[in-house]
Amino acid sequence: GQNIDQPTEMTATEGAIVQINCTYQTSGFNGLFWYQQHAGEAPTFLSYNVLDGLEEKGRFSSFLSRSKGYSYLLLKELQMKDSASYLCAVRPYDYKLSFGAGTTVTVRA
Amino acid sequence: EAQVTQNPRYLITVTGKKLTVTCSQNMNHEYMSWYRQDPGLGLRQIYYSMNVEVTDKGDVPEGYKVSRKEKRNFPLILESPSPNQTSLYFCASRSRGSGYGYTFGSGTRLTVV
Repeated sequence: GQNIDQPTEMTATEGAIVQINCTYQTSGFNGLFWYQQHAGEAPTFLSYNVLDGLEEKGRFSSFLSRSKGYSYLLLKELQMKDSASYLCAVRPYDYKLSFGAGTTVTVRA
Repeated sequence: EAQVTQNPRYLITVTGKKLTVTCSQNMNHEYMSWYRQDPGLGLRQIYYSMNVEVTDKGDVPEGYKVSRKEKRNFPLILESPSPNQTSLYFCASRSRGSGYGYTFGSGTRLTVV
């Protein structure tokens, strides 16, 4: 089976930085994805890591360490619209994408 | 506009009454998948398809059926719905290839009473 763990909730202040950690134990590895999901809406793709290191996309960055089974998503200069759930997902095989339960981030003014 | 279209968005039905949730994508994607999302459990894969006439079970296939007769369509069928199938359902598609993530439909909120 696949085991993907991330914190349930995080709270931060507008303008601050938040780091969401994800640890995984899966039967294979073909990449790690981060998705953003606003309440009642579809998940939307944020980032993809397949090699170790940091991928930066504007205010969002994602890091991967395959040897540690660890990733984080870094959200900088937080805005109110960043209040959402953030889903860590691992592709153990080409056809499969397994998700963690998600981290709900609340941004306060 | 490139998209995955699911219908209906909301559905309330009674136990045992067969229903179909439709899913269609206009991006010529090979892979399609159905997920259900429940509080505290995240997204769990029900069925997936790697191409026309190629489907297989995901992690929670019991009580569901799918078909892939055309590349663009991947309907989810509940032959005899039960209350434990009350959930938020998402259809998703992607291209074959390592760097592609799934594009998700808008979701179908199903309530079985």
